[in-house]
Amino acid sequence: ETGVTQTPRHLVMGMTNKKSLKCEQHLGHNAMYWYKQSAKKPLELMFVYNFKEQTENNSVPSRFSPECPNSSHLFLHLHTLQPEDSALYLCASSQEASSGPYGYTFGSGTRLTVV
Amino acid sequence: AQTVTQSQPEMSVQEAETVTLSCTYDTSESDYYLFWYKQPPSRQMILVIRQEAYKQQNATENRFSVNFQKAAKSFSLKISDSQLGDAAMYFCAYRRRTGNQFYFGTGTSLTVIP
Repeated sequence: ETGVTQTPRHLVMGMTNKKSLKCEQHLGHNAMYWYKQSAKKPLELMFVYNFKEQTENNSVPSRFSPECPNSSHLFLHLHTLQPEDSALYLCASSQEASSGPYGYTFGSGTRLTVV
Repeated sequence: AQTVTQSQPEMSVQEAETVTLSCTYDTSESDYYLFWYKQPPSRQMILVIRQEAYKQQNATENRFSVNFQKAAKSFSLKISDSQLGDAAMYFCAYRRRTGNQFYFGTGTSLTVIP
C-alpha cells in the first residue's frame, strides 16, 4: 500500500465536464505537489503546497484549480479541459519543500483522457 | 535554467548482468541533489537512490550505485545483477539545495531479458 493514494486511477471526461482528482497522504509530510506526465516529455511541475499554502503555480491554465484543505489532502479540480490535457497526473509529497535532500513519495497517478 | 538529459530512451539487459543508465544535467549551482526514480507499470514512481553534490563518495543502495562526476555534470546509474523486477522507466532528477522544484529527464525504458 503506497503512502500516497490517488483516486480515481482512470478518468475519461468530456471537454465540458467538471471533475476532481484526489490525493491523500498519511506520511506526516508537509509539502504536496501536482505533476503532469506526458509521453516522451519530462515531468512538469504544476503546483506546490507547503504547509497548506500554495507556494508555486507553474503557469498552469486556469482550467486546472488546486485545493489543499489540510496537509494530508490535495485536490485538482478540472473544468473545460482540452484533449491535449490528456496525461498521467501524479501527486507527490515530501517532508518539506525548499530544504534537505528529500525525495518525493509519489502516488500511482490518475490517467486522464479528455474526449 | 536547469535541464536534465537522458540520452538513452531505451535500454535492455540480460538477467543477472549489469547495465548503466546515463544522465547529464546542466546547472550553475555548486550544491544540489540528484536522484534516480523508477516507474514500473504500476505507475508509482519509486526513489531508487540519491546523491548530495557536496559528497564526493558515490551513493550505493544494494545492487544500485551511481557514478557521480560533478565536473562533467554526469550522474549515471549502475544496476548490478539485474532482475526481472528491475524492468521499468528510470528517471533522473535534479533539485537545487533550496527550492521546491525537481527537474526530471525524459526517462529510460529498461527491459530485462530472461
